[in-house]
Amino acid sequence: KAGVTQTPRYLIKTRGQQVTLSCSPISGHRSVSWYQQTPGQGLQFLFEYFSETQRNKGNFPGRFSGRQFSNSRSEMNVSTLELGDSALYLCASSLDLRRLAYEQYFGPGTRLTVT
Amino acid sequence: DQQVKQNSPSLSVQEGRISILNCDYTNSMFDYFLWYKKYPAEGPTFLISISSIKDKNEDGRFTVFLNKSAKHLSLHIVPSQPGDSAVYFCAASAGGTSYGKLTFGQGTILTVHP
Repeated sequence: KAGVTQTPRYLIKTRGQQVTLSCSPISGHRSVSWYQQTPGQGLQFLFEYFSETQRNKGNFPGRFSGRQFSNSRSEMNVSTLELGDSALYLCASSLDLRRLAYEQYFGPGTRLTVT
Repeated sequence: DQQVKQNSPSLSVQEGRISILNCDYTNSMFDYFLWYKKYPAEGPTFLISISSIKDKNEDGRFTVFLNKSAKHLSLHIVPSQPGDSAVYFCAASAGGTSYGKLTFGQGTILTVHP
């Protein structure tokens, strides 16, 4: 079974631009979560989508948004990029069936550099 | 407010010995706990999880222990191997519809010496 895939793997953008990152979950997984990893803040939760609806949201500004499609694929968008948005963005998927394991499986990440 | 804490930034162990990684949490709503292993520039790899209804879960060389009264969990790796050298993160989630939101600790760098 293929794992979580993320595209692109690397991205360089300029301050003020916007960026869209894509995530394809493991086949059959219905929940997709996004995380930001930086050296200073560690791994921080951005948001989670389940059945095309945002189910949980972290403490990030409104410049960070996402969506999920009917095939469970997800995208996240960051508008008006700032230097501090430079980070590894990770996507994770989980099966999310009641009373079963809720472990999340991560993709390789997208390394975003804002100059 | 750091709700999940890994107080040891690093741990060094000899090959074949036991590695014990520790994690404390403050949020009493957390009821599902996970351990991940991570290499630089890669996504975390799931290792093992435990629900709050249990106090121990084993999977091969990995065992996770949960002490709910102390709000403490630990990961035991026996025997440790050089390939286990990586950063280890503990993570926690609350119940209901919040399982998709993981709160991570800051990580512990494990080095296993041959």
